[in-house]
Amino acid sequence: SQTIHQWPATLVQPVGSPLSLECTVEGTSNPNLYWYRQAAGRGLQLLFYSVGIGQISSEVPQNLSASRPQDRQFILSSKKLLLSDSGFYLCAWSGAGISGNTIYFGEGSWLTVV
Amino acid sequence: AQSVAQPEDQVNVAEGNPLTVKCTYSVSGNPYLFWYVQYPNRGLQFLLKYITGDNLVKGSYGFEAEFNKSQTSFHLKKPSALVSDSALYFCAVRDISSGGSYIPTFGRGTSLIVHP
Repeated sequence: SQTIHQWPATLVQPVGSPLSLECTVEGTSNPNLYWYRQAAGRGLQLLFYSVGIGQISSEVPQNLSASRPQDRQFILSSKKLLLSDSGFYLCAWSGAGISGNTIYFGEGSWLTVV
Repeated sequence: AQSVAQPEDQVNVAEGNPLTVKCTYSVSGNPYLFWYVQYPNRGLQFLLKYITGDNLVKGSYGFEAEFNKSQTSFHLKKPSALVSDSALYFCAVRDISSGGSYIPTFGRGTSLIVHP
């Protein structure tokens, strides 16, 4: 069966420091990968998605970037964090290609920028 | 274009009573529809989906949802609510017509509170 791992679960970082959140998927090949942010325990904001290694699409221009160095690895980064980057970050995956329909989420990472 | 609406921010129900969490959608073609549940400080868990076929879809934890094309709705239901069902519920839609996005659009979520 497929599993998704996301870490760290909790992170407290000072303003201006770098960020790296990592996500890996097991048990599938060539998944579509996603990063979402959830603010105030409510709506989901799609940040980035990827359909293959090195292929990243950004939905919202901002202080963050994403990379996919390996087929089942997705990394969310920032060079200099802002207070507004605080939130709950969710990695997710779905089956390969546009026919893959159900999105499955990781357990999330809480980021607090102080 | 695809969109989804969850008209209620919060639903309150007594334990043992039936529950309904509402969802309406808008797509150009035919929809794929999904329900997810999120417990505090956790990721979203997939509950059920409608792709095609029977309009009544059964999912995890005793939940079901009814696809109604004429009303463009996909309400989540459970015959008897449990206190442990208290959580945040998300509806999502994906337009599968030609040119539609393969990425679903999520609603803003409905907080379900089940009172003992």
